[in-house]
Amino acid sequence: NAGVTQTPKFRVLKTGQSMTLLCAQDMNHEYMYWYRQDPGMGLRLIHYSVGEGTTAKGEVPDGYNVSRLKKQNFLLGLESAAPSQTSVYFCASSYTFSPTDTQYFGPGTRLTVL
Amino acid sequence: GNSVTQMEGPVTLSEEAFLTINCTYTATGYPSLFWYVQYPGEGLQLLLKATKADDKGSNKGFEATYRKETTSFHLEKGSVQVSDSAVYFCALANQGGKLIFGQGTELSVKP
Repeated sequence: NAGVTQTPKFRVLKTGQSMTLLCAQDMNHEYMYWYRQDPGMGLRLIHYSVGEGTTAKGEVPDGYNVSRLKKQNFLLGLESAAPSQTSVYFCASSYTFSPTDTQYFGPGTRLTVL
Repeated sequence: GNSVTQMEGPVTLSEEAFLTINCTYTATGYPSLFWYVQYPGEGLQLLLKATKADDKGSNKGFEATYRKETTSFHLEKGSVQVSDSAVYFCALANQGGKLIFGQGTELSVKP
């Protein structure tokens, strides 16, 4: 049982390049989330998904797109990377969308945009 | 809107010292409150939670009590260990599963 995994672990991009971050979970969770972590700011929600084929915007969605084609996978895309998107990205999943439920996090992807 | 404020870090303690990390929140209604911990090089994991006023969450010797009157959820441990060195995040959930995090507090425990 791997839990939540993220690919890749590290990536360096040049301004304007594109990339996709992959999140996978094997807990059969319905709900998945993408956060970014910046120094002194905690984690902020980028996008989330309430089920296969559905996505919604979080607190900081600009410059990102997401897709949930399969229940176990949640992809985060950057179409034209900017230095402001240098961050550590975390994926999470949960069984329900209840505010009392626990979210399970992946190990993170450290992205640097030059 | 919803927000979480934590005490600034880093916090450096000697082994067996008492730990308090302050957390206060602003929210409408009755949020759930969480402490997540991030060990070096890892993702976040749930440390403890409380889902209604006066609830006490506890785990691994850590405790926090949901105080609605002071809008606080301070994290405490009576005797810290070197293995407790990590970044601690206070968070709330008020609108479905969307978590609102504090800025994190780095704890370093010296032998």
